[in-house]
Amino acid sequence: ILNVEQSPQSLHVQEGDSTNFTCSFPSSNFYALHWYRWETAKSPEALFVMTLNGDEKKKGRISATLNTKEGYSYLYIKGSQPEDSATYLCAFGNQGGKLIFGQGTELSVKP
Amino acid sequence: GAVVSQHPSRVICKSGTSVKIECRSLDFQATTMFWYRQFPKQSLMLMATSNEGSKATYEQGVEKDKFLINHASLTLSTLTVTSAHPEDSSFYICSADGLAADTQYFGPGTRLTVL
Repeated sequence: ILNVEQSPQSLHVQEGDSTNFTCSFPSSNFYALHWYRWETAKSPEALFVMTLNGDEKKKGRISATLNTKEGYSYLYIKGSQPEDSATYLCAFGNQGGKLIFGQGTELSVKP
Repeated sequence: GAVVSQHPSRVICKSGTSVKIECRSLDFQATTMFWYRQFPKQSLMLMATSNEGSKATYEQGVEKDKFLINHASLTLSTLTVTSAHPEDSSFYICSADGLAADTQYFGPGTRLTVL
């Protein structure tokens, strides 16, 4: 059974802090790694889709890296703001489009 | 662009009744739609994959006769929970692809409570 692990489960930071989370996944049969941002009562929002080892993607203050050989991806948030408070999900995607999700990292940014 | 709606957002029903949940892609056509559920403190788990005009493919352990999926058009998929029981109480969420490659766009989810 394919397992996707995220750590930490939750994180509380002060406004302005930079933070990062980890997503671990099996390194065999890799196709794609997805990151989503999920605010309460809203739809999960696609942040990144990463497919190549060594990929680095950036969207504003949020960036992500991918290491398919060792099976991990990092998500970084620079200068966290209260509006960054959300649950960040990663998902391992296969060629058929199926996504296997981790449990998420719940980020809370205090002003 | 890439907005997916889901209706209803919340439903409470009695045990033994059936509940239908709708998932619509509002501004794009979705070749494939996916249905997930999430139990408390667990991850989103894929239940089934549906392609427009064909039968859904269910994941292992998901009863196809209990969770009926209809994908009648490129913008609408429905999930019907038949003869719902309290253990079916969960958060059900759909996604659709077809706009950007390898990206699924999610609805806001439906909270089902079966009394």
